[in-house]
Amino acid sequence: RKEVEQDPGPFNVPEGATVAFNCTYSNSASQSFFWYRQDCRKEPKLLMSVYSSGNEDGRFTAQLNRASQYISLLIRDSKLSDSATYLCVVHRVPSASKLTFGTGTRLQVTL
Amino acid sequence: EPEVTQTPSHQVTQMGQEVILRCVPISNHLYFYWYRQILGQKVEFLVSFYNNEISEKSEIFDDQFSVERPDGSNFTLKIRSTKLEDSAMYFCASSSLNTDTQYFGPGTRLTVL
Repeated sequence: RKEVEQDPGPFNVPEGATVAFNCTYSNSASQSFFWYRQDCRKEPKLLMSVYSSGNEDGRFTAQLNRASQYISLLIRDSKLSDSATYLCVVHRVPSASKLTFGTGTRLQVTL
Repeated sequence: EPEVTQTPSHQVTQMGQEVILRCVPISNHLYFYWYRQILGQKVEFLVSFYNNEISEKSEIFDDQFSVERPDGSNFTLKIRSTKLEDSAMYFCASSSLNTDTQYFGPGTRLTVL
């Protein structure tokens, strides 16, 4: 089983739509969770951290379910500029410093 | 806003040649990392570095790879004898603590011919 698993997509949605991405992770020792955004041929950029209580940043909501080892990202009112690949990332601090990335879910927002 | 910088942005080399990829981490950060991303694949961890030594490395990071912090600002990745399969984007990242957010540089695209 892959350490971090995501549906690669692509998700093609019209502007203004709500879209949700899911991610599962296999290592229950994972302690920190993130969503990064990656534009084509660019570096990953932190979108938001993910907490068990759920957290929201504007149009973006992230949720963590430790029991199911499941992470989600909800984007409301999609904009053309949201088109990118969304990377689910886990961090097993303090035992390991590395980030483990999923393959990413591609989102294309259209007019 | 402070950022991680990397040079060169694109490096083309012949198979068997040595390459050195350079990174300048964010100035007050203490932890440094290299990741790579083969075209169309996921970002993969290579190595982390703290207090002038490697703290963790992946299976990819074999004897052909080495890292160094030659001065107070640069952090380098050397590939001794490049192979075709080393062609990838190489990202440097840094964080202030190992528990903190890692910030990525823009990457160096390495093409091995």
